[in-house]
Amino acid sequence: QVQLVESGGGLVKPGGSLSLSCAASGFLFRDFYMTWIRQSPGKGLEWVSDISSYTSHTKYADSVQGRFTISRDNAKNSLSLQMNSLRVEDTAIYYCARGLPGAVGWLDSWGQGTLVTVSS
Amino acid sequence: DIVMTQSPDSLAVSLGERATINCKSSQSVVDNSNNKNNLTWYQQKPGQPPKLLIYWASTRESGVPDRFSGSGSGTDFTLTISSLQAEDVAVYYCQQHYSPPITFGQGTRLEIK
Repeated sequence: QVQLVESGGGLVKPGGSLSLSCAASGFLFRDFYMTWIRQSPGKGLEWVSDISSYTSHTKYADSVQGRFTISRDNAKNSLSLQMNSLRVEDTAIYYCARGLPGAVGWLDSWGQGTLVTVSS
Repeated sequence: DIVMTQSPDSLAVSLGERATINCKSSQSVVDNSNNKNNLTWYQQKPGQPPKLLIYWASTRESGVPDRFSGSGSGTDFTLTISSLQAEDVAVYYCQQHYSPPITFGQGTRLEIK
């Protein structure tokens, strides 16, 4: 079955960096768009970034553009999010989620999430 | 970006009764190439990630109970739970994928009355 497992979250000071990873299994990873979605404590869902299946074309929310970098390693079935210049407002649970083969579309599989806390 | 607005923000319904959640998009999300509405519904229970319920506005994901149904077209959509069960207590989100970036509604919290 499809499984997505995030790791790498933790406590970091404002201005610091963190790298999140998502290990995928149970499906042909290279065929699917992948996304990062975040959820601030007690709040709703916010799209952060996505990456296409073969060309690795990337998109970012304006709030993270220039600070976050999404990447994928299709040989290792893994998705990453490098987060630099972190701000207090980046505090959230970060979910890795699977899109469709040809577009982000709907997200049919989600990881359990990893908590990122940005605080001094 | 397309803005998704859900109503109400919270809802309390008696067990066995119908629950209705609305979602409105700031522009049409109909894909004219296939006449499908690019509108998705998710359920999120406390401490869990979101779970896909319905895509293309009205197609239930495999394994989702048939008491969940989606309807609507264009800019106005509805998620209906025909007979509320205790396990349906959750926050429900709509999401559009017609125009990038994907955007979510603010969520509707569903509770038992």
